[in-house]
Amino acid sequence: AQTVTQSQPEMSVQEAETVTLSCTYDTSENNYYLFWYKQPPSRQMILVIRQEAYKQQNATENRFSVNFQKAAKSFSLKISDSQLGDTAMYFCALTGTASKLTFGTGTRLQVTL
Amino acid sequence: DVKVTQSSRYLVKRTGEKVFLECVQDMDHENMFWYRQDPGLGLRLIYFSYDVKMKEKGDIPEGYSVSREKKERFSLILESASTNQTSMYLCASTPPTSGLSSSYNEQFFGPGTRLTVL
Repeated sequence: AQTVTQSQPEMSVQEAETVTLSCTYDTSENNYYLFWYKQPPSRQMILVIRQEAYKQQNATENRFSVNFQKAAKSFSLKISDSQLGDTAMYFCALTGTASKLTFGTGTRLQVTL
Repeated sequence: DVKVTQSSRYLVKRTGEKVFLECVQDMDHENMFWYRQDPGLGLRLIYFSYDVKMKEKGDIPEGYSVSREKKERFSLILESASTNQTSMYLCASTPPTSGLSSSYNEQFFGPGTRLTVL
């Protein structure tokens, strides 16, 4: 069975600052994929960034980057230059050979002025 | 743009009623999913479907069934709604495999249906 753990239920960051959201996971599969999804208040869930487990290089998407530590089974999300529009619920997710996603419990991020 | 729509944003039903939640995607996606989202529990997979008339149980299928008669439509059915099924229900779909494993594909989500069972 796959598990995803997000140990920070809520976080707050000031605008323009950097914040890191933590995620750890467990899987018995050798090939898997990791994702961060964002759910803004009252809006649809969207993909932020994804990482293939066999790639050592950390994925980046503009202000969003990940720190993928395969041996430690850790997949944290770093948001640089935080903006008010980054306020959302962030979910870490994992999928293996099937397309089934296993989600963490989420981290609610509040960006303040 | 990919669009995933759900029939209702808010729904209120009574205990024992049969409830249908509809999901439609407009991009010929093969895989479709139903999740429920609860505070402190994240998203949990109820059922998914890889093709028309095919369905697979997810992690919490009890009390639910699904129907996929057409590729673009995936319905979630609560045969006899109960108060513990009060939740946010999210539908998602993924595009066909293109090179990489389909597991790498982004899931596109609908806006969700907030169901309250009284």
